[in-house]
Amino acid sequence: QVQLQESGPGLEKPSQTLSLTCTVSGGSISSGRYYWSWIRQPAGKGLEWIGRIYISGSTNYNPSLKSRVTISVDTSKNQFSLKLSSVTAADTAVYYCARGRWLQSGPHFDYWGQGTLVTVSS
Amino acid sequence: QSVLTQPPSVSGAPGQRVTISCTGSSSNIGAGYDIHWYRQLPGTAPKLLIYGNSNRPSGVPDRFSASRSGTSPSLAITGLQAEDEADYYCQSYDSSLSAVVFGGGTKLTVL
Repeated sequence: QVQLQESGPGLEKPSQTLSLTCTVSGGSISSGRYYWSWIRQPAGKGLEWIGRIYISGSTNYNPSLKSRVTISVDTSKNQFSLKLSSVTAADTAVYYCARGRWLQSGPHFDYWGQGTLVTVSS
Repeated sequence: QSVLTQPPSVSGAPGQRVTISCTGSSSNIGAGYDIHWYRQLPGTAPKLLIYGNSNRPSGVPDRFSASRSGTSPSLAITGLQAEDEADYYCQSYDSSLSAVVFGGGTKLTVL
């Protein structure tokens, strides 16, 4: 059974860089069948896809966040990471990592982490 | 404002059937991209409920079904149970945005 677990600081100051890591267990992140994504959810609101990475290091980001987002992968640790720069209060949300199956007909997410709350506040 | 539009809330009595619609446009649902549905129980992560328009992952009861029609696919839940109270999200891909898109979510209340 694949499991994903987010980790990282729960509090960031405005203008700083948010950094989170997702550790994958029960399966190899190097499996070529999947893409690895970050998705966030502000309190009481809907889901927003942040971006994805493939084991090759190839990335795609949501255009609304592209200028501030970097997603990277460390296959030796079975982890992938998110960095979001110049954060503001609007970036306060629960951040989820998820495994994506990316077919020609579009992607879906079959495994999710439990989520981690990141609050941006001085 | 979400790219995919869902009703904010639906309700039904135990045992009844409810449906949740998901409206998109020509760059996502209308372009033929698959629709997927997730259920999010309070305080938990979303869980895949339906993938590829109408397929149930292992372990999802057949009370949950989905179909697509033009640009307005829908999720149906029959034999409503109290534990079905949750938020339900549709998801697809948008070629104009080159991004995964979600609906705003629908809160299901079991009366």
